[in-house]
Amino acid sequence: QVTLEESGPVLVKPSETLTLTCTVSGFSLSNVRMGVSWIRQPPGKALEWLVHIFSNDEKSYSTSLNNRLTISKDTSKRQVVLTMTNMDPVDTATYFCARIRRTYDSGAWYFNHFDYWGLGTLVTVPS
Amino acid sequence: QTVVTQEPSFSVSPGGTVTLTCALSSGSVSPSHCPSWYQQTPGQAPRTLIFSTKTRSSGVPDRFSGSILGNKAALTITGAQADDESDYYCVLYMGGGSVIFGGGTKLTVL
Repeated sequence: QVTLEESGPVLVKPSETLTLTCTVSGFSLSNVRMGVSWIRQPPGKALEWLVHIFSNDEKSYSTSLNNRLTISKDTSKRQVVLTMTNMDPVDTATYFCARIRRTYDSGAWYFNHFDYWGLGTLVTVPS
Repeated sequence: QTVVTQEPSFSVSPGGTVTLTCALSSGSVSPSHCPSWYQQTPGQAPRTLIFSTKTRSSGVPDRFSGSILGNKAALTITGAQADDESDYYCVLYMGGGSVIFGGGTKLTVL
């Protein structure tokens, strides 16, 4: 059974750094066909993709937040860690991690879709 | 900057058919964008409905179908039910590892 579970602080002060952990089970972070993404959703607003990481440590970052985000993984601990610097009240959101399925075509792996999601964790940055 | 646009809201009668669309601000949506669709009810995590344009995820009823209509990705619900009332999001793969979520469509069944 595949599960993903987000954990981290519920409250972060402005200008501080947020660190969130996604702990996975039911699959390995070394599986080349899969990856893990972080996605967020401000209250009442749309989902926003932030970043993802794959088995070979290949990473992709949202260009709008690139310089504030860092993603890493610890395969043995089954954990993917997101850090976001310089937090602001506009970063108040539910943060989800999701498993990515990739497809192989013409000699390369490509994102295909998100197939499993964590329940999300609400992070509040007070003004 | 590329934007993915969905209808902000849509209404359908129970038993009716509705098609939600997903458009790119520049260019046409094609299968190479690997369009996928997700359903989300308030306070819940998204649920995967459709991937690779038209493949239904496991356990998704066949009243949900995906396609490319003209220059957009489309999600059609045939025979809408009350519990289809949700927010629906599309995702497009933009190459270079990046993906974009659409702004979402709030579907009302009444």
